[in-house]
Amino acid sequence: GESVGLHLPTLSVQEGDNSIINCAYSNSASDYFIWYKQESGKGPQFIIDIRSNMDKRQGQRVTVLLNKTVKHLSLQIAATQPGDSAVYFCAETLNSGGSNYKLTFGKGTLLTVNP
Amino acid sequence: GAVVSQHPSRVICKSGTSVKIECRSLDFQATTMFWYRQFPKQSLMLMATSNEGSKATYEQGVEKDKFLINHASLTLSTLTVTSAHPEDSSFYICSARRRVGGRWNSNQPQHFGDGTRLSIL
Repeated sequence: GESVGLHLPTLSVQEGDNSIINCAYSNSASDYFIWYKQESGKGPQFIIDIRSNMDKRQGQRVTVLLNKTVKHLSLQIAATQPGDSAVYFCAETLNSGGSNYKLTFGKGTLLTVNP
Repeated sequence: GAVVSQHPSRVICKSGTSVKIECRSLDFQATTMFWYRQFPKQSLMLMATSNEGSKATYEQGVEKDKFLINHASLTLSTLTVTSAHPEDSSFYICSARRRVGGRWNSNQPQHFGDGTRLSIL
């Protein structure tokens, strides 16, 4: 079946730098995408989402970019802080009644922020 | 808003025991709740989808008689691992999707509990 994947399994950055986490998805029919942050021993925490009719969405220190042409999703974190260290997952879903809004998760990227 | 509580956070029990995990949406009504399993350093694997008042839909390869799901209300779903064995040891996570009416119903993220670490001896 189709799945969501990530280019980089690990990313190490210096505190204060900007981080970019990438995600490739293969289901061109997916129309809603979400980024989650998962700290060790905890459940995923919602960060930001984007619908397929948008190509950019900004939150507090985070920006998600969607390129439907190449089926690519990215999460940008500005001024990365030690508290941002976690595993980041992208997830996709197809908003139709038949899918029951199930999410397909990517493999995850471990972000390590060095002080 | 959108807080999901999962209980217990950790369970250690003997082989053959049945274990019940609760998932509650604290400040919203959940149209749908989901149960996932996660192995170390791996992604989340969907086990089943639970809609209030109806039977759960299980993913391929997940034994419904092994993993019993009950979704009795719009704020509570339970997962019971029956006759648990060491191979059932894992991190189980639930999520809930907010109930929203009308045109905004489609774009609602799942909100996750903090997981239950199940260890079967």
